[in-house]
Amino acid sequence: AQTVTQSQPEMSVQEAETVTLSCTYDTSESDYYLFWYKQPPSRQMILVIRQEAYKQQNATENRFSVNFQKAAKSFSLKISDSQLGDAAMYFCASRGAGANSKLTFGKGITLSVRP
Amino acid sequence: DVKVTQSSRYLVKRTGEKVFLECVQDMDHENMFWYRQDPGLGLRLIYFSYDVKMKEKGDIPEGYSVSREKKERFSLILESASTNQTSMYLCASFGQFNQPQHFGDGTRLSIL
Repeated sequence: AQTVTQSQPEMSVQEAETVTLSCTYDTSESDYYLFWYKQPPSRQMILVIRQEAYKQQNATENRFSVNFQKAAKSFSLKISDSQLGDAAMYFCASRGAGANSKLTFGKGITLSVRP
Repeated sequence: DVKVTQSSRYLVKRTGEKVFLECVQDMDHENMFWYRQDPGLGLRLIYFSYDVKMKEKGDIPEGYSVSREKKERFSLILESASTNQTSMYLCASFGQFNQPQHFGDGTRLSIL
């Protein structure tokens, strides 16, 4: 079984500054993947960044990076140089590495960016 | 790019109607999913399918059924729509287990 917890429903950041969105998870899987998805007001869910649990190195995609703490089961997303277009809902998710695993989502966090 | 297409972006139906939500993906993905999204609750899994004619219940299957007659198409069926099924419905798919899920645009369903 898997659970994903996003305890902050909303956050706000000033344009050009850095913000960190927190996420904790629990899983019985020995190998798994973690994801951050973004859902802008236009609604389509898009992948921001992915982390394989067996990799110690934190994933990075341009201005987006994660802080993956496996022992603590923590998977936070850092957005650097925040832009107005980063305003969206962000969902943390986990999935086991088996062929028939399903994706489990947190409840999401609404990020607003102040100009 | 993977394309997941949901047949309607907005749909209004009446209580008691049988409602079909269609989802088609163009990347030959084995795995397809239906979620509903409600404020404060995030995404909740309704049903999923790992192959043609196969289906598995998710976390909230009550009041729903699914059909997967062809690999590219996964249909969600509300047998007798009720007002508490008013929600945003999202379809998703993925191929290999190390790949992310791709989502459709969503269907905003209102049951009156």
